[in-house]
Amino acid sequence: QVQLQESGPGLVKPSQTLSLTCTVSGGSISSGGYYWSWIRQHPGKGLEWIGYIYYSGSTYYNPSLKSRVTISVDTSKNQFSLKLSSVTAADTAVYYCARGLAVAGTIFQHWGQGTLVTVSS
Amino acid sequence: DIQMTQSPSSLSASVGDRVTITCQASQDISNYLNWYQQKPGKAPKLLIYDASNLETGVPSRFSGSGSGTDFTFTISSLQPEDIATYYCQQYDNLPPTFGQGTKLEIK
Repeated sequence: QVQLQESGPGLVKPSQTLSLTCTVSGGSISSGGYYWSWIRQHPGKGLEWIGYIYYSGSTYYNPSLKSRVTISVDTSKNQFSLKLSSVTAADTAVYYCARGLAVAGTIFQHWGQGTLVTVSS
Repeated sequence: DIQMTQSPSSLSASVGDRVTITCQASQDISNYLNWYQQKPGKAPKLLIYDASNLETGVPSRFSGSGSGTDFTFTISSLQPEDIATYYCQQYDNLPPTFGQGTKLEIK
């Protein structure tokens, strides 16, 4: 059973870059066939998809965040990462990493537990 | 982006009740519609994909139907452990988008 675990700073200053890593266990990112996503949830609010990466490194980002987002993959560590630049208080949220189904990358079958990132000085 | 509108936004029901949540897409999404359950402090859990397919291990009291723009999620007999917020999500177009959620409470 694949498991995902987010890690990274829980507090980021405004204008800085938010950096999170998702470590995958129980399955290899490099085995292919899956899309690996980042999704966030503002406090008490709904879910917003940030973007995804394929094991080959190809990406797609939500146009609403595209100018500030970079998702990368490190197959040697079985991890993928999120960088969100120029953060503001509006980026305060719980950030989840997730894996889609093999047949459809945006049916989110497996999720990490989520990590709260607060943007504050 | 495709807008997903759920109703109601909150719902109170008794154990054993049949519960129905609706989700409407701003354009035709065929059957590319998923339902998730989120309990407080936890990640969402996939319950139904492709509008009506039950994810492995999900109790059969959960079901989904619909196609095009109008979808329905049903719990046939509400159990105490079903207290959660439920979200629909379309994946017909990128970016995938979610409904605003329906918070289900026990009466």
